[in-house]
Amino acid sequence: ELKVEQNPLFLSMQEGKNYTIYCNYSTTSDRLYWYRQDPGKSLESLFVLLSNGAVKQEGRLMASLDTKARLSTLHITAAVHDLSATYFCAVDLGTDKLIFGTGTRLQVFP
Amino acid sequence: KAGVTQTPRYLIKTRGQQVTLSCSPISGHRSVSWYQQTPGQGLQFLFEYFSETQRNKGNFPGRFSGRQFSNSRSEMNVSTLELGDSALYLCASSLGPSLLEQYFGPGTRLTVT
Repeated sequence: ELKVEQNPLFLSMQEGKNYTIYCNYSTTSDRLYWYRQDPGKSLESLFVLLSNGAVKQEGRLMASLDTKARLSTLHITAAVHDLSATYFCAVDLGTDKLIFGTGTRLQVFP
Repeated sequence: KAGVTQTPRYLIKTRGQQVTLSCSPISGHRSVSWYQQTPGQGLQFLFEYFSETQRNKGNFPGRFSGRQFSNSRSEMNVSTLELGDSALYLCASSLGPSLLEQYFGPGTRLTVT
């Protein structure tokens, strides 16, 4: 059974600091997605990573994929309050069926 | 360009009833996927439709069903509702049959009492 684990589950960080969210998965996949969800809102697509070594960056967020280690990271640089949200990774099994991680709730405080 | 719309946005039903949720994809999108989000189980894939055909199904009981119409609009139906079906139901649309560039709707919050 495929498992997708994120850690940490909850992250409270100060503005201006850097941190990394980890997404580990238990089976072979070379497609991984990152999403953001604001409280009470829907999902917003952040990144699509399609191959080993893929790296995508948008503003203060950078995502990478290591398919050999079955690991994706979402790195936050110089956090700002607007980044407060829950972040999900999701693994595509190759059958266009997404398995989501547990989510990481990020809270950025002044 | 209008986004993905879902109706209704909120719904309260009683155990044993059935419910139908609707999703209108972005114009031109032919793939619609459905997801259930609960505090306990997180986000789970329900099913995916492309050109009126169900291409994938998640691990949900047969009480959960769906369909897609020729205009790409999709409905999902849950029969014999249980308390555990209370959730946020999200649909997402994409242009083609893959999940790349998937856009999510605002969701339907279903409460079963």
